[in-house]
Amino acid sequence: DTAVSQTPKYLVTQMGNDKSIKCEQNLGHDTMYWYKQDSKKFLKIMFSYNNKELIINETVPNRFSPKSPDKAHLNLHINSLELGDSAVYFCASSGWTSGGYNEQFFGPGTRLTVL
Amino acid sequence: EDKVVQSPLSLVVHEGDTVTLNCSYEVTNFRSLLWYKQEKKAPTFLFMLTSSGIEKKSGRLSSILDKKELFSILNITATQTGDSAVYLCAVKVSNAGGTSYGKLTFGQGTILTVHP
Repeated sequence: DTAVSQTPKYLVTQMGNDKSIKCEQNLGHDTMYWYKQDSKKFLKIMFSYNNKELIINETVPNRFSPKSPDKAHLNLHINSLELGDSAVYFCASSGWTSGGYNEQFFGPGTRLTVL
Repeated sequence: EDKVVQSPLSLVVHEGDTVTLNCSYEVTNFRSLLWYKQEKKAPTFLFMLTSSGIEKKSGRLSSILDKKELFSILNITATQTGDSAVYLCAVKVSNAGGTSYGKLTFGQGTILTVHP
């Protein structure tokens, strides 16, 4: 019954490899996001999709490519991994709550370590 | 560039103390300010503030927004060890077309440690 789920939870890989992180939400939300949280806990948005359409694309290297096969899924593929890509990556989705505000719900995060 | 700054960066208190966390912002097209609590995993939502001067309250936590001075505070009274976490402030902005699609700009967080 998890609302926003991500796989894998942990990912350890070598520099230069290509890896993917998957995200799924079962909340019926139209909008999904990818955030990166660095070692200093700074959470920064990378991408957002609304109904499978890319709407936010912050300044990230083009080695990062999001893909949304449908509005419940938003995957993140990273090519040629670098040491600086090590971080926790959070997926989120947003929708209207019963309280009448638009809240973002975060997934549990994927801790990526590049060696 | 939109900017959200939190202070202090870290805070160590004892159970029963009251703490005030600060968040100031400089953004264009402000829509709302949100507070999140992050323990070991994902940030969890605490409050959303859109209007100045109206306090939001949930148990021992409360928050208020000042849109003129561009800041918000989060108060926690009678702190408990379970309040130990990173508290994140985020501001939601609109894009040029007036929609926001929920883009949040986060501050760097305040690490709160409550000792028994």
